[in-house]
Amino acid sequence: AQSVSQHNHHVILSEAASLELGCNYSYGGTVNLFWYVQYPGQHLQLLLKYFSGDPLVKGIKGFEAEFIKSKFSFNLRKPSVQWSDTAEYFCAVGGGYNKLIFGAGTRLAVHP
Amino acid sequence: DAGVIQSPRHEVTEMGQEVTLRCKPISGHDYLFWYRQTMMRGLELLIYFNNNVPIDDSGMPEDRFSAKMPNASFSTLKIQPSEPRDSAVYFCASSPTLTGALNYGYTFGSGTRLTVV
Repeated sequence: AQSVSQHNHHVILSEAASLELGCNYSYGGTVNLFWYVQYPGQHLQLLLKYFSGDPLVKGIKGFEAEFIKSKFSFNLRKPSVQWSDTAEYFCAVGGGYNKLIFGAGTRLAVHP
Repeated sequence: DAGVIQSPRHEVTEMGQEVTLRCKPISGHDYLFWYRQTMMRGLELLIYFNNNVPIDDSGMPEDRFSAKMPNASFSTLKIQPSEPRDSAVYFCASSPTLTGALNYGYTFGSGTRLTVV
């Protein structure tokens, strides 16, 4: 079955620190990968996506993610976080079962 | 476009009562998805529709949950009777095509925060 695992449930950082959120998926076929962000009190918004081509994907607000097929991973990174990045981040996989499968989410708190 | 519209934003109800959550997808989007978000389970797909027809309801937790889509612009998720463990945020999302959904993601509504006491 297709599944998504996000290893960190809560992450606390100071402003300007670097961020990396882990995401691993299980599915042997071709996948499309997504990161969504949910700011406090808001709906989920698409941050970035990968479905082919360059495995290093750049999204909005300085975020990027790298697809490593051999590791079944799609980790999210940002070199220098800001207080406004405080949110919950969801990794999602699509492709095998005609629906997006989401991870449990990672809550990021950035302290000024 | 106003996006995916959900109502109410917050609902507090007593155990045993019927709860109805509403969703208006983006006009022209043929696919509508209902998700539930909890701390323990994250985002779970409950059911999705294509052209108003339920395609996959394998995520619906039990018979107390039902979903309908009487027309292209409206869907409901009903819980009867409600229980405290149903407390969660329920999201609706829509997409123009399934391929589009899988390749480009969904557009989500703002969610309904349900509290059953």
